[in-house]
Amino acid sequence: NAGVTQTPKFQVLKTGQSMTLQCAQDMNHNSMYWYRQDPGMGLRLIYYSASEGTTDKGEVPNGYNVSRLNKREFSLRLESAAPSQTSVYFCASSEFEFSYRGPGTEAFFGQGTRLTVV
Amino acid sequence: SQQGEEDPQALSIQEGENATMNCSYKTSINNLQWYRQNSGRGLVHLILIRSNEREKHSGRLRVTLDTSKKSSSLLITASRAADTASYFCATDPPSGGSYIPTFGRGTSLIVHP
Repeated sequence: NAGVTQTPKFQVLKTGQSMTLQCAQDMNHNSMYWYRQDPGMGLRLIYYSASEGTTDKGEVPNGYNVSRLNKREFSLRLESAAPSQTSVYFCASSEFEFSYRGPGTEAFFGQGTRLTVV
Repeated sequence: SQQGEEDPQALSIQEGENATMNCSYKTSINNLQWYRQNSGRGLVHLILIRSNEREKHSGRLRVTLDTSKKSSSLLITASRAADTASYFCATDPPSGGSYIPTFGRGTSLIVHP
């Protein structure tokens, strides 16, 4: 199983450029998430999709948009990149949605995209 | 805001020693999970403990949960150099609805050979 696949692995952008980070999972998971990880800040949730067709803002959504293209794919778009968006971005997925609790809610992560905005 | 916070921020030990890290959280939970992150990689799920459980084991890992103190601990016994990584706890959201893993800042563990 490939699990969660993110592309690209590395990217350098100039301020003001746009780009889309791609994420795909092959585990038939309902929920997908985008996080960013900065030194000393841990992982912060940008957007999530509890199920196909729905998306919601997380803790730090400003400057980003997302699309849940289908059950497998969840993309993150930076419309006008800023140096403050320099970070490592992780996509994750989990099997269950909504109020289910317990085994099965563990998240599976991609390998990350290291983005630098200059 | 982050629900869970790991402590200490950094831990340095010798191979063979035990490593203990803690997680404190603010509101009631249904379960708590621990993850590991090797340098430059994504997080990997280690273990889940439910709110009605007090202790759980998985290989060299032992997790405890004290809901009255809103805290959990992860013990790695007989540590190895390969255990060098950052460790995160994750809790489910305090209210109902979609499950969204919420992480703390992590504990950076270095195991010296």
